[in-house]
Amino acid sequence: GENVEQHPSTLSVQEGDSAVIKCTYSDSASNYFPWYKQELGKRPQLIIDIRSNVGEKKDQRIAVTLNKTAKHFSLHITETQPEDSAVYFCAASGGGADGLTFGKGTHLIIQP
Amino acid sequence: DTEVTQTPKHLVMGMTNKKSLKCEQHMGHRAMYWYKQKAKKPPELMFVYSYEKLSINESVPSRFSPECPNSSLLNLHLHALQPEDSALYLCASSHSGWQETQYFGPGTRLLVL
Repeated sequence: GENVEQHPSTLSVQEGDSAVIKCTYSDSASNYFPWYKQELGKRPQLIIDIRSNVGEKKDQRIAVTLNKTAKHFSLHITETQPEDSAVYFCAASGGGADGLTFGKGTHLIIQP
Repeated sequence: DTEVTQTPKHLVMGMTNKKSLKCEQHMGHRAMYWYKQKAKKPPELMFVYSYEKLSINESVPSRFSPECPNSSLLNLHLHALQPEDSALYLCASSHSGWQETQYFGPGTRLLVL
């Protein structure tokens, strides 16, 4: 089955700086890679996703890059704000009605 | 309606009890999922229903029994659970499953005594 590795487990950055979270996956058949943000006591919320036919996608301060050859994808958050503090999960999924395999999560802390 | 709803929000049960978790969506999605999330861990897939048929069972113990009565509803029947089953149970849905966004419900926080 799929295995998703995520690093770092904790990331502390100054407000206004950029944050980068990296994930690798094992199954070359995986073709859908979402990122979820989960605040304490709340549901995971999709913040951005990328499909295997695309190398990069941007949405305001958030961007995701995908390298299918190397089987890794990354989340980039620019101009970080206090409300960006949360746990971020990367995930991977194959074709069909597959469930998601999640990475272990990154606790992002924005220092004022 | 663009939400996945789950009831109850919290549930406390004994190891001999039988209870059910309920999940509902009215977005016309045809794929629905159950995940289990322990504290400080990622969600782990339990079951996938595609067009009301069970398509994936991730070797979940039989004390968890899923049911999909129609395209909008997903239940998880619980019986003879163990304390280690205490967790947040998340339901999700997606349009058809193929590279589609999964929308999560708020979860049911389960405590087994």
